[in-house]
Amino acid sequence: AQSVTQLDSQVPVFEEAPVELRCNYSSSVSVYLFWYVQYPNQGLQLLLKYLSGSTLVKGINGFEAEFNKSQTSFHLRKPSVHISDTAEYFCAVSEKGTYKYIFGTGTRLKVLA
Amino acid sequence: GAGVSQSPSNKVTEKGKDVELRCDPISGHTALYWYRQRLGQGLEFLIYFQGNSAPDKSGLPSDRFSAERTGESVSTLTIQRTQQEDSAVYLCASSLAVIAGQNTEAFFGQGTRLTVV
Repeated sequence: AQSVTQLDSQVPVFEEAPVELRCNYSSSVSVYLFWYVQYPNQGLQLLLKYLSGSTLVKGINGFEAEFNKSQTSFHLRKPSVHISDTAEYFCAVSEKGTYKYIFGTGTRLKVLA
Repeated sequence: GAGVSQSPSNKVTEKGKDVELRCDPISGHTALYWYRQRLGQGLEFLIYFQGNSAPDKSGLPSDRFSAERTGESVSTLTIQRTQQEDSAVYLCASSLAVIAGQNTEAFFGQGTRLTVV
């Protein structure tokens, strides 16, 4: 069965510093991968997705993620964070041809001034 | 509408009462999902609707939970005889149908925060 692990429940980082939020998944078949962001008191918004092709995916707000099949990872990165990036970030996986999205437990990114 | 709309945004109910949560998906989206998000936890899959196919109810935690959807329109999630453990944010999402194995992203509503007192 597919599953998603986000090892870091909270990540504090200073403004303008780089950040990496880790995501690992397990699945026996091909998968699609997603990162969603949830700002305080708001719904989830898609940051980026990997469906096929280039393993380096660029998303909104300067975020990017790299699909590493051998390590079954899809880590999210940003070279320089802003205060406004403070939010909860969820990694999700969906097996090819299925409809169910399995979400990780989320990583709370707190950007400090 | 422009996005997924959920109502009410907040609901406080007494233990033992029934509640009904509503979701309006994006027009044209045939797939609709309900997820539950407990405080400090990830999203828990509840139920999935795809067009006129039988829904996948495998995530519903108990027979107190039920959901309906007519065609490709509004869905309602009903929780009967609410318990304090039902307190959570209930999120609805919609997406285009999975075609030839090509998934698309799910678009989420802002959720209904349910508090059972």
